[in-house]
Amino acid sequence: ETGVTQTPRHLVMGMTNKKSLKCEQHLGHNAMYWYKQSAKKPLELMFVYNFKEQTENNSVPSRFSPECPNSSHLFLHLHTLQPEDSALYLCASSPSGRANTGELFFGEGSRLTVL
Amino acid sequence: GDSVTQMEGPVTLSEEAFLTINCTYTATGYPSLFWYVQYPGEGLQLLLKATKADDKGSNKGFEATYRKETTSFHLEKGSVQVSDSAVYFCALTLLSDDKIIFGKGTRLHILP
Repeated sequence: ETGVTQTPRHLVMGMTNKKSLKCEQHLGHNAMYWYKQSAKKPLELMFVYNFKEQTENNSVPSRFSPECPNSSHLFLHLHTLQPEDSALYLCASSPSGRANTGELFFGEGSRLTVL
Repeated sequence: GDSVTQMEGPVTLSEEAFLTINCTYTATGYPSLFWYVQYPGEGLQLLLKATKADDKGSNKGFEATYRKETTSFHLEKGSVQVSDSAVYFCALTLLSDDKIIFGKGTRLHILP
């Protein structure tokens, strides 16, 4: 039990579908993150939320839409995705609200396949 | 720009072998350095860290020493186990920048 829970663990969707990934943290942290993990590439930071406010959008295409209704929940809404968006999407949280403490707590990830 | 470079994997070793996974960094300031581990089917977990030159981070038998002169933070373990099979990520952070920069990861296979 890592304290950060992601659902679903696996998702297969067509390019015209709309789906959402959910992340919940039970650690009382103030910041939450979405990362994309693709084979043979560094982890790509997508979005950062501090105290429910988005503080980072790392040039992510608009077909990915984050939502943070409170400091414990984070969503990633997906629509009209491309096959190259297939990857493992990792949610993370940090206690301080600043990533530069380096202490991120990750969920197990949602494996997305776009057909 | 700031970056982390790790040795290419996969690395395959027999149980009880000595492990080294190389990591070097480029940074404009004085970074803090980290190793994260990702076991199969799981997210990343912080393994160890070092926040200043000559610091040694250690956990679960793994060690890494912050070498400013060689800009390195190599991960070592004296005797690996099958359960150490995972992907290992080197990372850095800078106080001046609210980001953590990860390397590409090194996959480690330990054979019984």
